[in-house]
Amino acid sequence: EVQLVESGGGLVQPGRSLKLSCAASGFTFSTFPVAWVRQAPKKGLEWVASISSGGGVTYYPDSVKGKFTFSRYNAESTLYLQIDSLRSEDTASYYCARRQVQLRVFDYWGQGVMVTVSS
Amino acid sequence: DVQMTQSPSYLAASPGESVSISCKASKSISNNLAWYQEKPGKANKLLIHSGSTLQSGTPSRFSGSGSGTDFTLTIRSLESEDFAVYYCQQYNEYPLTFGSGTKLEI
Repeated sequence: EVQLVESGGGLVQPGRSLKLSCAASGFTFSTFPVAWVRQAPKKGLEWVASISSGGGVTYYPDSVKGKFTFSRYNAESTLYLQIDSLRSEDTASYYCARRQVQLRVFDYWGQGVMVTVSS
Repeated sequence: DVQMTQSPSYLAASPGESVSISCKASKSISNNLAWYQEKPGKANKLLIHSGSTLQSGTPSRFSGSGSGTDFTLTIRSLESEDFAVYYCQQYNEYPLTFGSGTKLEI
């Protein structure tokens, strides 16, 4: 069974940094691209980062470029999302999601981790 | 960026009825469109990709249609488990973008 379990969220002060993790299991992790998608309270879904299967290529929307750093450690089937200079607008649930190999769609999602940015 | 406009935002229906949700792209995305279902306490579920291809495990009462800029998700003979929020997503180009969601309520 494919599982994606996020961790590392919580209450953070504005301006600080945070590193989210996502532990994957139930599939050959190193062969799939993965992504992070966030959802602000009572808002829709927003894609924020993707990474290739090998970790060598990353994609970000302009809204988070330079602020988010997505990495993966295939030996431990783990993803990391470093978020710097946190602002209130970054308050959201953050989901890791497995991307299909051929299509840029997300066939498995985690349950999400909440990040709240507030003083 | 490709803007995805979903309508309606809210939809009320009864079990057994059929409903349709629209998703319009700000420019042509070919058939590079997916639909997802969001339910409280559950992981998001991919329902349809490539505009009309059912993901494995998606019930046949779900169907997708459209190409270019206009797409539709149709659910026939609604069941209680179908009441949820639905999102479309374009994957024709980066940045990947989602519609604003449609809440389907009883």
